[in-house]
Amino acid sequence: EAGVAQSPRYKIIEKRQSVAFWCNPISGHATLYWYQQILGQGPKLLIQFQNNGVVDDSQLPKDRFSAERLKGVDSTLKIQPAKLEDSAVYLCASSPAWYSYEQYFGPGTRLTVT
Amino acid sequence: GDSVTQMEGPVTLSEEAFLTINCTYTATGYPSLFWYVQYPGEGLQLLLKATKADDKGSNKGFEATYRKETTSFHLEKGSVQVSDSAVYFCALRIFKETSGSRLTFGEGTQLTVNP
Repeated sequence: EAGVAQSPRYKIIEKRQSVAFWCNPISGHATLYWYQQILGQGPKLLIQFQNNGVVDDSQLPKDRFSAERLKGVDSTLKIQPAKLEDSAVYLCASSPAWYSYEQYFGPGTRLTVT
Repeated sequence: GDSVTQMEGPVTLSEEAFLTINCTYTATGYPSLFWYVQYPGEGLQLLLKATKADDKGSNKGFEATYRKETTSFHLEKGSVQVSDSAVYFCALRIFKETSGSRLTFGEGTQLTVNP
């Protein structure tokens, strides 16, 4: 089966610009996660969706970050405006259900803010 | 809050050497524990898991035992190969009815195995 797809793979923007990342989870997976992985650190959960509803967004900086999963399938994460400290790899993961043990990760989008 | 602490890296070993990567955790409740691996240029992959105390997870020659008394989940392999070079992440998860199943990761340990 196809894995989790993400695009773009790399993005370079200037601070105060906007950027959007796209994720297409494994077919049939109800739960979708966005993580932020800063260089030298482990991934940190930004937001978790169950179908098209938000389950956990407690660590999402809501003043500049937003995410949606309108039809319960693919998802978009947006940053507006970007700051230097947003430079990181943004990982998308999916799982069949919120109680599933395994999360399947995509390759990530590497964002550089200059 | 929940947290995971891994041994400082990077770790450099010769092929066929014994590997230990230490991982300790702090959690409220009873977490499930995981090791994920990230090969160069690839996404994170689940390596092994343990869901309750004294469980041993194993995969591809790697093992880790869930030690509740020492709140640890150390990763071991008896004989590493060059192909094991990667970044290894220890993680925990506690299921919460209202907030789903967040994975909390350690900072990662870079392993390099030389021929």
